Amino acid sequence: KQEVTQIPAALSVPEGENLVLNCSFTDSAIYNLQWFRQDPGKGLTSLLLIQSSQREQTSGRLNASLDKSSGRSTLYIAASQPGDSATYLCAVWGNQFYFGTGTSLTVIP
Amino acid sequence: KAGVTQTPRYLIKTRGQQVTLSCSPISGHRSVSWYQQTPGQGLQFLFEYFSETQRNKGNFPGRFSGRQFSNSRSEMNVSTLELGDSALYLCASKAAGARYEQYFGPGTRLTVT
Repeated sequence: KQEVTQIPAALSVPEGENLVLNCSFTDSAIYNLQWFRQDPGKGLTSLLLIQSSQREQTSGRLNASLDKSSGRSTLYIAASQPGDSATYLCAVWGNQFYFGTGTSLTVIP
Repeated sequence: KAGVTQTPRYLIKTRGQQVTLSCSPISGHRSVSWYQQTPGQGLQFLFEYFSETQRNKGNFPGRFSGRQFSNSRSEMNVSTLELGDSALYLCASKAAGARYEQYFGPGTRLTVT
């Protein structure tokens, strides 16, 4: 069974810092990996989708990489802002979506 | 395009009752998936429907069921509610094919008392 782990579980940084969130998965037989953010009590907002054949995707201040062979993905957030405070989730799609445990990010003004 | 919509947004039910949640996918999307989110278990996959057929099912008891209509709208039903069913239930839709991006609705917050 696919297991998805995210490290760290919580992260607090001052505004303006660059940061990296990590996601690892046990089964490399995936179609794609998707990063989401979730604000408290809300649904998920899609940030980036990386197909299994791709190495990275970029959107604005966000860059996500995928190393399928090692079962790892990273989400890089440049110049963090207080509005980036949220829980970040990664999910891999094999025959269903498996979600990571999430990283709770707080950006301090 | 309108996003994924879920109704109702909040529900309070009593143990033993049943509940039906509704999800309307993004126009043109034929795949609808349901997820349960709890503080202890995180996000867990319930089932996926595609063209009115259940395509995948997670590891949940038979009390959890769903269906999809010809217009791709989907409903999820939970019978004989238990306190542990209290959760945020999320619906997601995507275009046909495994490689497409999933889009999530705002969720239905179910509280069982």
